[in-house]
Amino acid sequence: AQKVTQAQTEISVVEKEDVTLDCVYETRDTTYYLFWYKQPPSGELVFLIRRNSFDEQNEISGRYSWNFQKSTSSFNFTITASQVVDSAVYFCALSEASAAGNKLTFGGGTRVLVKP
Amino acid sequence: DTAVSQTPKYLVTQMGNDKSIKCEQNLGHDTMYWYKQDSKKFLKIMFSYNNKELIINETVPNRFSPKSPDKAHLNLHINSLELGDSAVYFCASSQEQSSYNEQFFGPGTRLTVL
Repeated sequence: AQKVTQAQTEISVVEKEDVTLDCVYETRDTTYYLFWYKQPPSGELVFLIRRNSFDEQNEISGRYSWNFQKSTSSFNFTITASQVVDSAVYFCALSEASAAGNKLTFGGGTRVLVKP
Repeated sequence: DTAVSQTPKYLVTQMGNDKSIKCEQNLGHDTMYWYKQDSKKFLKIMFSYNNKELIINETVPNRFSPKSPDKAHLNLHINSLELGDSAVYFCASSQEQSSYNEQFFGPGTRLTVL
């Protein structure tokens, strides 16, 4: 069965600090997809990135970067030079190719608080 | 333009009542979903529909009945509301039902059962 664990429930940083969010997943599938979503205080869920299980290249998008390591079943997310607007709950999620439909299994989320 | 919209945004009701939440997407997607987010922020899928056909039903009580009149709409009807139904309900859509498709979420409906 698929499972996503985000061990950090809350992280507090001061603006301009870097922050890394951990995500560990479990799956028996060889083909699967990993996602990160952001939920700001306003409540909506915003898609950030998708990674497939065959692509272990790290990705950078502005101040955001992602490190995917199949050997440790991890898909970590780093915010560089954090800003107050980064304050949100961040969710890691997994979908398996073998599962019916496009079922997303979410981790418990990590709340990031960036203080000015 | 709103991609995935839900109405109402807030819903406060008494135990035992029946209520509906509406969802519409204008992205031309084939697949739509309902998720429940509890008070601890945990998100769990409830249903998914692909072209009006039920694909996923995640052991949700049968008091919850989704209805998809067309592929752009997926409504959620809840009978005999209970205190434990209080949560934020998110509708989402994706291009199709394959697992690589990212899902786009609506703004959520906060349901409070008194």
